[in-house]
Amino acid sequence: AQSVAQPEDQVNVAEGNPLTVKCTYSVSGNPYLFWYVQYPNRGLQFLLKYITGDNLVKGSYGFEAEFNKSQTSFHLKKPSALVSDSALYFCAVRDLYRLGNEKLTFGTGTRLTIIP
Amino acid sequence: EAGVAQSPRYKIIEKRQSVAFWCNPISGHATLYWYQQILGQGPKLLIQFQNNGVVDDSQLPKDRFSAERLKGVDSTLKIQPAKLEDSAVYLCASSLTDQGVSGNTIYFGEGSWLTVV
Repeated sequence: AQSVAQPEDQVNVAEGNPLTVKCTYSVSGNPYLFWYVQYPNRGLQFLLKYITGDNLVKGSYGFEAEFNKSQTSFHLKKPSALVSDSALYFCAVRDLYRLGNEKLTFGTGTRLTIIP
Repeated sequence: EAGVAQSPRYKIIEKRQSVAFWCNPISGHATLYWYQQILGQGPKLLIQFQNNGVVDDSQLPKDRFSAERLKGVDSTLKIQPAKLEDSAVYLCASSLTDQGVSGNTIYFGEGSWLTVV
């Protein structure tokens, strides 16, 4: 079965510093990986995804993620953190159980706090 | 483009009562999902529809949960009777589905927040 792990429950970063939120995955076959963000009392918002191609994927709000096949990682990054980036971040992997039928399996989430 | 619509946003009920949540997916999206997110956890899939057919309901507690998507567009998730452990956010999501094409982005609604007391 596909799975993702987010090893850090909480990440604190000073405003203006670079941030990294870690994710590792375990899949059979090609990995399709996603990042979502959840602000307080809101649903999940799509940030970016890796399907194929360039290992560095750019997404919304200045976020990017680097796919590393040898380390089975898909870490989320941003060069300069904003206070408004404070939220709950979820890494997810596509589980294709039948052609055309897919679902997402989520990690447990990482709470990112940007300190002014 | 309108996103995934859900209602109600918040609901408080007593245990053993019933509740229903409604979802309208993004126009043209054939696949609709209901996820349950318990506080402090990642979302877990309850049921997945493709058009009006169920393709995966293996994680749905069928003794108390039911869901339907009669006309292949909007969907209703019902809980009856509710238990304390059903307190969670119920997230509806949708995606395009095209046989042979995968990796479609799944878009989520704002969620329906249920508290069972």
